[in-house]
Amino acid sequence: GDSVTQTEGPVTVSESESLIINCTYSATSIAYPNLFWYVRYPGEGLQLLLKVITAGQKGSSRGFEATYNKETTSFHLQKASVQESDSAVYYCALGASSGSWQLIFGSGTQLTVMP
Amino acid sequence: EAAVTQSPRNKVTVTGGNVTLSCRQTNSHNYMYWYRQDTGHGLRLIHYSYGAGNLQIGDVPDGYKATRTTQEDFFLLLELASPSQTSLYFCASSEGQGWEQYFGPGTRLTVL
Repeated sequence: GDSVTQTEGPVTVSESESLIINCTYSATSIAYPNLFWYVRYPGEGLQLLLKVITAGQKGSSRGFEATYNKETTSFHLQKASVQESDSAVYYCALGASSGSWQLIFGSGTQLTVMP
Repeated sequence: EAAVTQSPRNKVTVTGGNVTLSCRQTNSHNYMYWYRQDTGHGLRLIHYSYGAGNLQIGDVPDGYKATRTTQEDFFLLLELASPSQTSLYFCASSEGQGWEQYFGPGTRLTVL
């Protein structure tokens, strides 16, 4: 079936350190998956951080990057230097460009950035 | 700016109680969704709708009803709440299938 697996949290890093949150997916019923990273800050709903709809492409936003790798079925989230304000829960998600309404979410990774 | 609001933000009820969670979107989106989020699980889809009067079953529908009264409003109903329904509930809307969804801030429900 279709599924998303991501780094189990919680993850704690110090400010200015680099970050990688792993995400791998299985898209057995989706011919052309779209991949998303969502972020949920405390007290708020999920908001889209970045999305990539074409294999081999990279998405970026707010200093975060993720590359859609079809060969390894991965979409890891990276940031070179995190800030305290990046503390949040990050969700990787899988969707389809047509024929399917559903977004399939990973379990979320709680990130805490220490000052 | 896309906007999805939920009410209440927090709710405590007892086993067997009757609960209604409300969601309103001002995005003019056709699709609306109800999810639950539990520790160790991704967001799990309860019900969704693609327009007023329409309702589709999601992945974890047992114990939940939903109703879409207008394009803007989508309600989740728990008629006999159970402790297993203690969770964080999110509502979302989207313009089309499989694309970006816009989320509300969530409702934390506790069933004692």
